[in-house]
Amino acid sequence: AQSVTQLDSQVPVFEEAPVELRCNYSSSVSVYLFWYVQYPNQGLQLLLKYLSGSTLVKGINGFEAEFNKSQTSFHLRKPSVHISDTAEYFCAVSYYGGATNKLIFGTGTLLAVQP
Amino acid sequence: DAGVTQSPTHLIKTRGQQVTLRCSPKSGHDTVSWYQQALGQGPQFIFQYYEEEERQRGNFPDRFSGHQFPNYSSELNVNALLLGDSALYLCASSSIRAGDLETQYFGPGTRLLVL
Repeated sequence: AQSVTQLDSQVPVFEEAPVELRCNYSSSVSVYLFWYVQYPNQGLQLLLKYLSGSTLVKGINGFEAEFNKSQTSFHLRKPSVHISDTAEYFCAVSYYGGATNKLIFGTGTLLAVQP
Repeated sequence: DAGVTQSPTHLIKTRGQQVTLRCSPKSGHDTVSWYQQALGQGPQFIFQYYEEEERQRGNFPDRFSGHQFPNYSSELNVNALLLGDSALYLCASSSIRAGDLETQYFGPGTRLLVL
């Protein structure tokens, strides 16, 4: 079965420190990859996406992610976090050529930025 | 540019009742997907609608049904509610006609509590 694994359920980090949120997916076919952010009591906001082309993708709020096909990973990074980055982050995958573009999500990583 | 909107924002029902949730897609979008997000989990795909037809369905019972209207808005209906149906229900839209089926934009969600 196709799946997405987010290895860390929580990542505590101090303000202005760098952070990496890890995401691995299971697939032997071409994929599209996404990171979404969810603030408390809100819906999902698209941070960035990889559809094709350059494996380094830049998104909103200073986040970036790198697609690594050999390791089936799509880790999210930010060089310096702010208190306002505290939120739940979800990695998601959809499959090229699938009947629909349904997204398969990981279980999420809570990024807790401390002052 | 109006984003995805959902109504109501919150809903409380009792077991056995029926509920209808509503979604209006982002302007210019023609495809609507529904997801269920249980507390502490990632969203799970319920189904997707395009041209008023269900394109694909996730692993949800027939108690979950939907509809898409000619103006692309959509409804999610859940019959015979169970306690386990308590969740945040998210609507997402994308556009097949514009060639951007892969990217889904989410609404703020409807939080359903079943007592």
